[in-house]
Amino acid sequence: DSGVTQTPKHLITATGQRVTLRCSPRSGDLSVYWYQQSLDQGLQFLIQYYNGEERAKGNILERFSAQQFPDLHSELNLSSLELGDSALYFCASSATGTQNIQYFGAGTRLSVL
Amino acid sequence: TQLLEQSPQFLSIQEGENLTVYCNSSSVFSSLQWYRQEPGEGPVLLVTVVTGGEVKKLKRLTFQFGDARKDSSLHITAAQPGDTGLYLCAGSVNTNAGKSTFGDGTTLTVKP
Repeated sequence: DSGVTQTPKHLITATGQRVTLRCSPRSGDLSVYWYQQSLDQGLQFLIQYYNGEERAKGNILERFSAQQFPDLHSELNLSSLELGDSALYFCASSATGTQNIQYFGAGTRLSVL
Repeated sequence: TQLLEQSPQFLSIQEGENLTVYCNSSSVFSSLQWYRQEPGEGPVLLVTVVTGGEVKKLKRLTFQFGDARKDSSLHITAAQPGDTGLYLCAGSVNTNAGKSTFGDGTTLTVKP
């Protein structure tokens, strides 16, 4: 158990809909990262938050947004969903000064039908 | 943009064989991590290396960080079916909770 909790584990929705994925980081970790992993592809970095502030941005679509709350949990919002958004979405957390060692949640499998 | 290239992309071997996978970049990293991911699960950290030339061993797995801190290798001795999975390397330029760059991974299948 990595200590990172993601909910829900599975999500099935239709095109055009909006969903919210939730992540609770390991206790004490200030950094939260979101990744997208499509079938047979590596991890695509979406966005990083550090103590409530956006720290780094990757290839995140404008239809996607994220935030980190005062209690350090994070949410990834995906809107106007398309078939191509079907993927595994992972959240990871890390502590400051640990060479960016990231602990990953079990992921949310999103299926857009 | 720091890119990490992993090779080979796919590797299928018989139980008991040895193998090496590589992680290369033109960028210098302050640290590099190796993760293993099993289908449907999140990546799990195997090791982190921070010093050029560093070698770390984890049972049958040997990890090496290049002298110039631009590349790394993972060697598995006497592979077992339980070693099957996606092996990912990730490099960090800044150690202060910054972004890591992930390679696309090597998918290893070890047949019994």
